Amino acid sequence: GAGVSQSPRYKVAKRGQDVALRCDPISGHVSLFWYQQALGQGPEFLTYFQNEAQLDKSGLPSDRFFAERPEGSVSTLKIQRTQQEDSAVYLCASSLVVGEPYFGPGTRLLVL
Amino acid sequence: QKEVEQDPGPLSVPEGAIVSLNCTYSNSAFQYFMWYRQYSRKGPELLMYTYSSGNKEDGRFTAQVDKSSKYISLFIRDSQPSDSATYLCAMSGGGSYIPTFGRGTSLIVHP
Repeated sequence: GAGVSQSPRYKVAKRGQDVALRCDPISGHVSLFWYQQALGQGPEFLTYFQNEAQLDKSGLPSDRFFAERPEGSVSTLKIQRTQQEDSAVYLCASSLVVGEPYFGPGTRLLVL
Repeated sequence: QKEVEQDPGPLSVPEGAIVSLNCTYSNSAFQYFMWYRQYSRKGPELLMYTYSSGNKEDGRFTAQVDKSSKYISLFIRDSQPSDSATYLCAMSGGGSYIPTFGRGTSLIVHP
């Protein structure tokens, strides 16, 4: 079926606003990853889910960042009280437990 | 020093050239190695996925892994202008399936 989808594709937020970014993984994929990509850099790990369990959140930059995957499928990355340094592309990827991750198109966040 | 090092380029080659892209890494536990292609304003697209050392070929692309040197390569034969993109290496292992990425190499193939 379809690949990984993300929404919205673009988000402009005012500093201090809360945002929610959605990821729909490939059907049947157990693992889900969130990455942050700054301009000219490689993706930096944020957090990892296996089904609904958040097994690693060591990459989340602050307690303003929160991710969930309550039913083991769709995931949401929430950023509270956005700041200008949060401006980046947020990438979601999914995979089988052991296997290559497939990425979505990303959400481009701009905080003004 | 980052776990995965990758020269950002840009690497500029003429159409038809053989391109060599490389990454070095420091974590000897890495076992899974990936190459992604990323066009501007798009998500990374998986090109190659290999386990442990050795070579893997897929069409014009060949991936090589040398674990003894902690060095991986991606070769592109008969390069085309449509290959112009950023190439990201990634790797995982040591009990973790979370890929660690290099910063990417920008490739420009000019006609």
